Amino acid sequence: AQKVTQAQTEISVVEKEDVTLDCVYETRDTTYYLFWYKQPPSGELVFLIRRNSFDEQNEISGRYSWNFQKSTSSFNFTITASQVVDSAVYFCALRRGQTGANNLFFGTGTRLTVIP
Amino acid sequence: EAGVTQFPSHSVIEKGQTVTLRCDPISGHDNLYWYRRVMGKEIKFLLHFVKESKQDESGMPNNRFLAERTGGTYSTLKVQPAELEDSGVYFCASSQRGGGELLVGNEQFFGPGTRLTVL
Repeated sequence: AQKVTQAQTEISVVEKEDVTLDCVYETRDTTYYLFWYKQPPSGELVFLIRRNSFDEQNEISGRYSWNFQKSTSSFNFTITASQVVDSAVYFCALRRGQTGANNLFFGTGTRLTVIP
Repeated sequence: EAGVTQFPSHSVIEKGQTVTLRCDPISGHDNLYWYRRVMGKEIKFLLHFVKESKQDESGMPNNRFLAERTGGTYSTLKVQPAELEDSGVYFCASSQRGGGELLVGNEQFFGPGTRLTVL
């Protein structure tokens, strides 16, 4: 069975601090995909990144970076120099790699509050 | 380009009533998904359409839920009769391609959700 765990329910940081959101996943598949989505106050889920299971290279996009480690089944997300606009709920998700396996398995989300 | 839109944004109904939620996917996206988040829990998959066909409805909780996508464009999700445990946020998502394909275009783009409250 597939499972995604986001142990941090809520995090508060002061603006300009760095913050890491944890994501641990479970799957027996050898091919799978990992995702992060951001849910701002407006409600929609905004796609941030997709990672394939065979590509463990870490990725950086501006102030965002992702650390994918298969050895610990983790896909953590770090925001550097946080800003108030980063305040949102962040979801980690997993999708199986089989053809036809389309649905996402989500974690419960982490609410990030950046205090000015 | 317009994103995924959902209507209504909020709905408050009484137990036993019927509610219909609507989703308009991004133009050209053949794949449409419904998900639900019950308060404080994870977002859970309900079903997946490819054009007008149901590809996977394994997540539908029971036969009080009926999803349709006539013509392969917008989709509706009807709950009849609604129960208290149906309360939550219903998300719709769309993608160009389905999953399992190592191609750009299978990312799912989500709408803002419909918050359903059953009293």
